[in-house]
Amino acid sequence: ETTLTQSPAFMSATPGDKVNISCKASQDIDDDMNWYQQKPGEAAIFIIQEATTLVPGIPPRFSGSGYGTEFTLTINNIESEDAAYYFCLQHDNFPWTFGQGTKVEMK
Amino acid sequence: QGQLVQSGAEVKKPGASVKVSCKASGYTFTTYGINWVRQAPGQGLEWMGWISAYNGKTNYAQKLQGRVTMTTDTSTSTAYMELRSLRSDDTAVYYCARVIAAGAFDIWGQGTMVTVSS
Repeated sequence: ETTLTQSPAFMSATPGDKVNISCKASQDIDDDMNWYQQKPGEAAIFIIQEATTLVPGIPPRFSGSGYGTEFTLTINNIESEDAAYYFCLQHDNFPWTFGQGTKVEMK
Repeated sequence: QGQLVQSGAEVKKPGASVKVSCKASGYTFTTYGINWVRQAPGQGLEWMGWISAYNGKTNYAQKLQGRVTMTTDTSTSTAYMELRSLRSDDTAVYYCARVIAAGAFDIWGQGTMVTVSS
């Protein structure tokens, strides 16, 4: 089973900041990494697929990078509406596994 | 666009079973799979398994093998997840999500809280 170590668990950002969220896999997963955003009381939203591809309809301030075992979700010029819980998911091998999540709070 | 609507909250005793439904609308149900994920209080997300709505093929998380069954009813565009021999650590919010590709869940249900308590 592939373990995903996501960090930080919590962060506080100011509007306009650049935010980086890391997800490290316990084994090589190529680019089989997706990212999701979830706000309290709402359904999750699919934002990045295959490590680097922005899902259609997602603002371009979101981007993903990485390959193999290290991956990053970046939010450029973060906005107040981006306050949410973000989590990574690997689908290279079963069982698909999630990172523990990152809560992004706005100052 | 599509929507998934799940059944309501459940309270069960240890050892009982629960069956959560996930009704799809707004798209051709058999075109995509349905994935089930759960989140225990204060914990991260846990992938439970996946079912093809086209042919009923399933893939379950090994830790749940023998206790979980995922099915679909194409006549009503509804997916079901049944979990048996419930334990207190099965207390969680259970989500269904449409699978458009491996690991790609583009539509999520609203979640169903299942509480296991004596």
